Amino acid sequence: GQQLNQSPQSMFIQEGEDVSMNCTSSSIFNTWLWYKQDPGEGPVLLIALYKAGELTSNGRLTAQFGITRKDSFLNISASIPSDVGIYFCAGQLSGATNKLIFGTGTLLAVQP
Amino acid sequence: GAGVSQSPSNKVTEKGKDVELRCDPISGHTALYWYRQSLGQGLEFLIYFQGNSAPDKSGLPSDRFSAERTGGSVSTLTIQRTQQEDSAVYLCASSITGGNQPQHFGDGTRLSIL
Repeated sequence: GQQLNQSPQSMFIQEGEDVSMNCTSSSIFNTWLWYKQDPGEGPVLLIALYKAGELTSNGRLTAQFGITRKDSFLNISASIPSDVGIYFCAGQLSGATNKLIFGTGTLLAVQP
Repeated sequence: GAGVSQSPSNKVTEKGKDVELRCDPISGHTALYWYRQSLGQGLEFLIYFQGNSAPDKSGLPSDRFSAERTGGSVSTLTIQRTQQEDSAVYLCASSITGGNQPQHFGDGTRLSIL
C-alpha cells in the first residue's frame, strides 16, 4: 500500500539532545498527524495539523504542516528516556474515506 | 474502558484456518477504521465504516478479507483461509465522525499464521 517517505529511519541520541524527523509525499494532504507507538501498543496521537504553514506545539514536541501541503516535520526538544519509541507521520486525504496514509516510521533510541 | 478495545490481543493459528478479530470503538464514535501493520512497517489502510453509509473496502488485500460493523458499534474483521503473509498486527481506530477528526487506535491483534 501507499506509504509516505519518512526520515531518518532510526536515531540513536543522548538524553537532552534535540531530535528532528520529517515526512514527504508526492500527494497533497489536508491534515498531517504525528503518532508515537510503543512496543505492543497502538499508535498514540501526538500532534494534529490542519492548515498549511501551521506550527503547533505539545510540550517538548513541535510539528509543522509544510506550505506545499506535501511535507511535515516533528521536533522533540531536550529528549528524555521515555521518548523512546517509533514515531509515525500520517497524512489524511479529505473525501469519502478520510483514511490515513502512514510514513515508514522513525525509531528513536535515547541513551540516559 | 474509555479507549478502543480489540480482542484477542494475540492469535496464533494454522494456515488455512479462518480467524475473526474484534474491535470495540470508543463510545459515541461513528467512524471506524481497520489497518494492518506488518513487521517493521507503517500502517496500511484496510476498510472504513462511517455511520450507515456503505463501507470503503478499497484497502482490503483480497476477497479472503471481509469486515462488518453491527449496530454502528462493534466491528469484526474476518480472514478466511489464512495464509502466512497475513501475519501482522491488525489495528482498529475510531473517530467521533469521519472528516479530519483524530483517529484513536486500539492496541491491536497480533496475528501469527503457522
